[in-house]
Parts: sequence; structure tokens; C-alpha cells
Amino acid sequence: GAGVSQSPSNKVTEKGKDVELRCDPISGHTALYWYRQSLGQGLEFLIYFQGNSAPDKSGLPSDRFSAERTGGSVSTLTIQRTQQEDSAVYLCASSGDTGELFFGEGSRLTVL
Amino acid sequence: AQSVTQPDIHITVSEGASLELRCNYSYGATPYLFWYVQSPGQGLQLLLKYFSGDTLVQGIKGFEAEFKRSQSSFNLRKPSVHWSDAAEYFCAVANTGGFKTIFGAGTRLFVKA
Repeated sequence: GAGVSQSPSNKVTEKGKDVELRCDPISGHTALYWYRQSLGQGLEFLIYFQGNSAPDKSGLPSDRFSAERTGGSVSTLTIQRTQQEDSAVYLCASSGDTGELFFGEGSRLTVL
Repeated sequence: AQSVTQPDIHITVSEGASLELRCNYSYGATPYLFWYVQSPGQGLQLLLKYFSGDTLVQGIKGFEAEFKRSQSSFNLRKPSVHWSDAAEYFCAVANTGGFKTIFGAGTRLFVKA
């Protein structure tokens, strides 16, 4: 596609359930990022994939969060045993050689 | 590790007035610097970026920013604000090794008539 695609756009889940959020980056972009944006908050860095290098996981808030990127393209962010404080918009972005980040529309997660 | 500080959580300016949004960064070398804008209900859009060269960079929508190494700052300016500029503005810093990008907390701009 022409832009970064994220799914689902909205997800409502119960506390304790696992969720998976998907990101399909712009074709050819080597870098992929996940950020979290809570209500009224900035963009919290979660994880960064660059080419074939090991991902930078330094922003993941707990071991309940994990992400993978298959074939250098699609990425999945998994949150296990969700908590109410995980409620936020999860934004995916990709970038190429220019360093400009292109963002998806986000996945809004609500944990009841 | 890089970090970004945007000291103003929100700013209100009158339409037609000038605007300056502050951004300070921390990084061991000269970083790559960006300003992004998030309009209500919209995604994030790049306004401008600085990699090297001229320290005054021009962006879209009449915005400009100046890199000041001595102050570790990259403030965003606009000479005359329009009501449509009301949005949240994010300063970001990326490392020069691979574009890992960290964002500031954002400054919300309100424009009054």
C-alpha cells in the first residue's frame, strides 16, 4: 500500500487477555518503530527495528510487551495479560533513507 | 541515549501573532532533529528536519526552526499564526547511526481569534 497500515484500528479487551497489534510498513522502508500515546501524553518510544539488526527494545515498559518483524516487513506488537494502564493508542511508523517517519493511523486499545 | 524536552505543555497565541515553540535535546553528538505536527483527529506529519548545514531550516506551512548547538536547542517559529495551526507539536531527535527517533512530550498550541 501507499502508506503505513495498522490493524485493528480499535480493540477493546478485558483485563488479563492477550492482544496483538499489526503494522504493515511502507514497502522498501528498512526501519520500523512502535510508539505509545496515552491520553494527553507524548509519544513514548517502545521498540525500533532497523534492517537485519537486532531490535532496540529499550522502551518496552515490561516483559508483557514484545514485538517481532517478519521478513523485514510486517510487524506485530503483542501485549500479554493486559492491564488497564495499557490503554492507549499504539502508533507504528516506518522510515527509509531520509529519516522521516511515516505514521499509521494507530490502534486504539481499551482495556476494561 | 538521546532525549528531548519541550518545556511548554500548552501555549495560546492570538491569530496573526508570532509563535515560538521551545525544544531542547540531549545527545552526545550533533543529532538529526525534527518537528512533527498532530492536528486533532489526524496523524503525525513532518514539518521540517535538520541534518547538517544551514542551521535555519524552512518547513511546510510557513514554519522554520533554528538549530543552536551551544544551547542544544531546536526551536520552532512562525511569524504569523493561523487558526488552522492549532494542533500538537512534537520535537524529535534521532541518532545519526540509524534514525532511532525519540519524541518530546509535545506542546499543544491554541489559537484565539
